[in-house]
Amino acid sequence: KNQVEQSPQSLIILEGKNCTLQCNYTVSPFSNLRWYKQDTGRGPVSLTIMTFSENTKSNGRYTATLDADTKQSSLHITASQLSDSASYICVVSASYNTDKLIFGTGTRLQVFP
Amino acid sequence: GAVVSQHPSRVICKSGTSVKIECRSLDFQATTMFWYRQFPKQSLMLMATSNEGSKATYEQGVEKDKFLINHASLTLSTLTVTSAHPEDSSFYICSALEGWQGREKLFFGSGTQLSVL
Repeated sequence: KNQVEQSPQSLIILEGKNCTLQCNYTVSPFSNLRWYKQDTGRGPVSLTIMTFSENTKSNGRYTATLDADTKQSSLHITASQLSDSASYICVVSASYNTDKLIFGTGTRLQVFP
Repeated sequence: GAVVSQHPSRVICKSGTSVKIECRSLDFQATTMFWYRQFPKQSLMLMATSNEGSKATYEQGVEKDKFLINHASLTLSTLTVTSAHPEDSSFYICSALEGWQGREKLFFGSGTQLSVL
């Protein structure tokens, strides 16, 4: 069964600190993995997308890693800011005739001053 | 960059009425669009996959007669919530795929908050 699991479910950190969010998946055949940031009441915004041949991708203070062998990905946020408070969603595509997207349940991050 | 426009952003309606939500890809053609539902503090739940010119594929448990999806062109998909009831109140989001397989980019609309009184 295709599944995407994220941990932790929620996370509270202080402004300026780093944090790492995890995404484990059991999706086959694997096509790509995306990380999105979703502010409350808004649509998700893309952070990174990686195919199986890419093991790291950065977007500003966000760095995603992918280990296709262990089927794990992480999203590292450096020097967190208050505006990083949001839900972070991991989405894995299974490669069928048309890609099937499997969504993780998200990690809710709160950054406090 | 590619933009997906969704409107209305918020709608309040009486129970029993129908509500239409539009999702447009503004500067690219989207052969595939997706519709999601999201409850507070929960992740997105895929409702259906919409392909231009064909019938939508609904996820298990989603009533196709309740949630009518039309994808008449490469830039427009609509979701109509028919005979809405208070339990249909939710945040609805669309997304559209741009690009070729393996490198598609997925863009989301800004969402529609539906409140049924």
